[in-house]
Amino acid sequence: KNEVEQSPQNLTAQEGEFITINCSYSVGISALHWLQQHPGGGIVSLFMLSSGKKKHGRLIATINIQEKHSSLHITASHPRDSAVYICAATLNQFYFGTGTSLTVIP
Amino acid sequence: KAGVTQTPRYLIKTRGQQVTLSCSPISGHRSVSWYQQTPGQGLQFLFEYFSETQRNKGNFPGRFSGRQFSNSRSEMNVSTLELGDSALYLCASSPGDANEKLFFGSGTQLSVL
Repeated sequence: KNEVEQSPQNLTAQEGEFITINCSYSVGISALHWLQQHPGGGIVSLFMLSSGKKKHGRLIATINIQEKHSSLHITASHPRDSAVYICAATLNQFYFGTGTSLTVIP
Repeated sequence: KAGVTQTPRYLIKTRGQQVTLSCSPISGHRSVSWYQQTPGQGLQFLFEYFSETQRNKGNFPGRFSGRQFSNSRSEMNVSTLELGDSALYLCASSPGDANEKLFFGSGTQLSVL
């Protein structure tokens, strides 16, 4: 049983499209992280949320604590957004989703 | 500011050996956490250290251990290596409060033959 479920597993989009990646969790949490990992590259933390919504450039992350659900949105997607996006729920330890592999085609 | 530094970058060991990995956090960061990443299991949490004390722990066997020094640098040790321990081992640092953004190192790629 996975404490954190992500969807979709794979996503291909045309440049400029609006993208949504979903994350549902079954455990109680103190925070939810969104991470980005480029092929062969390290991991970058995009957002850490405990409630509401955060925005950074073209990226928006939201969380609904009651529904145990978070979303990562990318507006006006670009080929450089191609990466694996991973959500992680934390409460004393980290529970990771399996990741969403995003490919943005020019 | 220098980022999180992990050494070595690559490591090859044989079954039964032990290995020690090192992680130097961003200056001023007091929390260091360790993760294992494999193609099959994805990312998994190993443990977190804060001010030289293990604060949180994942579900790994006792062969996996760690420690943190007074300068916040951390080491992770795996004893009696198994083939399944082949993975990318990542560490991350944060200033120290429980819910803060993490800064990841580039990882150590461990291959067990």
